[in-house]
Amino acid sequence: KNEVEQSPQNLTAQEGEFITINCSYSVGISALHWLQQHPGGGIVSLFMLSSGKKKHGRLIATINIQEKHSSLHITASHPRDSAVYICAVNLGQGAQKLVFGQGTRLTINP
Amino acid sequence: KAGVTQTPRYLIKTRGQQVTLSCSPISGHRSVSWYQQTPGQGLQFLFEYFSETQRNKGNFPGRFSGRQFSNSRSEMNVSTLELGDSALYLCASSYLPPYEQYFGPGTRLTVT
Repeated sequence: KNEVEQSPQNLTAQEGEFITINCSYSVGISALHWLQQHPGGGIVSLFMLSSGKKKHGRLIATINIQEKHSSLHITASHPRDSAVYICAVNLGQGAQKLVFGQGTRLTINP
Repeated sequence: KAGVTQTPRYLIKTRGQQVTLSCSPISGHRSVSWYQQTPGQGLQFLFEYFSETQRNKGNFPGRFSGRQFSNSRSEMNVSTLELGDSALYLCASSYLPPYEQYFGPGTRLTVT
């Protein structure tokens, strides 16, 4: 069993829909990251969370440490949100040692 | 501020050769991490360097090695290349671990 599980693996939605991507992990972590990867490979860090909730524009990320679960929400989705979203957990204490989920491929149709 | 840069961007090597990839972090960042991305295994952690010291290592064979210089630039080396080493190699930097990481564009290595 992978230490980090994401769901769904693929998601297709219409423009304007509310999107939720889930991430569950089975190990103790110091932080959780949500990353976005566009075709061509470039990765952008969206959020780093160790507790609670963060919001940036139309993106919201939450984490429940007790349940070992995090969600990434996209409100008013747009075709430019189409990308692969990757959850990663940091196993290192005061260091970087990331373990990644397999990613969620999101396609937003106009 | 310039982003993380990686050179070269594309590389084709033959099985059995060795390769060196370079990563220049964002100015002021002292932590550099390396990752391998393949279609089958996804993203996997290779190693992390901070102040010229390797602090963490992923589950990769000894053919994969790296180092960090006093200016925080980092190199990774893969010796005796195998076909399975074909991948996108990404580096990421942060000011201090475990702060948010900034990723470079990657080096796409093809081993033939």
